[in-house]
Amino acid sequence: GQQVMQIPQYQHVQEGEDFTTYCNSSTTLSNIQWYKQRPGGHPVFLIQLVKSGEVKKQKRLTFQFGEAKKNSSLHITATQTTDVGTYFCAGSNSGYSTLTFGKGTMLLVSP
Amino acid sequence: DGGITQSPKYLFRKEGQNVTLSCEQNLNHDAMYWYRQDPGQGLRLIYYSQIVNDFQKGDIAEGYSVSREKKESFPLTVTSAQKNPTAFYLCASSKQGRDYGYTFGSGTRLTVV
Repeated sequence: GQQVMQIPQYQHVQEGEDFTTYCNSSTTLSNIQWYKQRPGGHPVFLIQLVKSGEVKKQKRLTFQFGEAKKNSSLHITATQTTDVGTYFCAGSNSGYSTLTFGKGTMLLVSP
Repeated sequence: DGGITQSPKYLFRKEGQNVTLSCEQNLNHDAMYWYRQDPGQGLRLIYYSQIVNDFQKGDIAEGYSVSREKKESFPLTVTSAQKNPTAFYLCASSKQGRDYGYTFGSGTRLTVV
């Protein structure tokens, strides 16, 4: 079945440093979504990428979808303590199939 | 406000007992999902339903059962056949099609004692 791998599993940065998490799929994806889960909370939808090579920005967050639609990345510029949480990517290989989630990258930001 | 409600927030179960987790949404979403989250394991799909009175097994359905009698409700029963039920259970819903993200409930943390 479809597998979605995410690296790193964990990252600890100082406030102001940049952060990137990478997502790789074993199959070509129809779309990829990113979620954030704060400690003790539930996943919250951030964004969806659909097109090959697509890049989307949300303030300090930049999301990319690879040309082959098998990988994606989330980059946070100048992290803040409010960025703490686990970031999940989730991919689907067709419009009506379910999402397969990666195991997530836990981000810790020290002030 | 529209949303998805899971109850209870915490649940303790004795070994050998079945327990039902509630999930209700008022978002008018057609699709609903149950995920299990264990530390370091991400989210694993248990069951999903794309329409009332129909549901499909996910990757880890053994020891679980669901029903979808109403569009708004998708309860999950953790049966005594589930060998390792202690986990954080998340319910989600979405519109049909690939253009929509999932809306998650706040989760139920189940502990077997």
